[in-house]
Amino acid sequence: GIQVEQSPPDLILQEGANSTLRCNFSDSVNNLQWFHQNPWGQLINLFYIPSGTKQNGRLSATTVATERYSLLYISSSQTTDSGVYFCAVVPPFGNGNKLVFGAGTILRVKS
Amino acid sequence: DAMVIQNPRYQVTQFGKPVTLSCSQTLNHNVMYWYQQKSSQAPKLLFHYYDKDFNNEADTPDNFQSRRPNTSFCFLDIRSPGLGDAAMYLCATSRVGLSGGASDYNEQFFGPGTRLTVL
Repeated sequence: GIQVEQSPPDLILQEGANSTLRCNFSDSVNNLQWFHQNPWGQLINLFYIPSGTKQNGRLSATTVATERYSLLYISSSQTTDSGVYFCAVVPPFGNGNKLVFGAGTILRVKS
Repeated sequence: DAMVIQNPRYQVTQFGKPVTLSCSQTLNHNVMYWYQQKSSQAPKLLFHYYDKDFNNEADTPDNFQSRRPNTSFCFLDIRSPGLGDAAMYLCATSRVGLSGGASDYNEQFFGPGTRLTVL
């Protein structure tokens, strides 16, 4: 099946710093989503981005589908950005839009 | 606001005592999913309903069952919980089409989860 690899696995930032999280996938995809899992365990939708670039406030994402990767940019990080960031994809011929998750990036933002 | 709701948020059960987790949605999505997430791991799909059609993942234990009585509600039944079933259980929904094109695949939305403890 499709492989989804996220890097780095862990990241520690000082408040105000910028960061880039990467998601590589081994096959073409019909859907790609970025999530932030907060300390209470809820998965918050950040971006639905099978291709192209989107921005939402301090966050932006770019997916280059032909090269099989996606990037999540966090600018001017805040302590509330801490948590786990997941990339998840729907592989080709994905039955029922089933998401395959990467292992996640654990982000810690220090004040 | 349209949303995915899970109840209860925290559930404690005893080893071997059946437990039911519930999920409801106001998004009118045709597909509902149940994921299991253990500590420090990514969510793992257990099964999903495409309308009324049940789709089990190959490695989902028989101990886990699901019901979808109508479009809005979906239940996860754990018949005989073991200590290894302690986890966060996440419900999600999506609208999936049948045109055969990329537009069939839409954003998936998650509920807040139910954290299950097995004593």
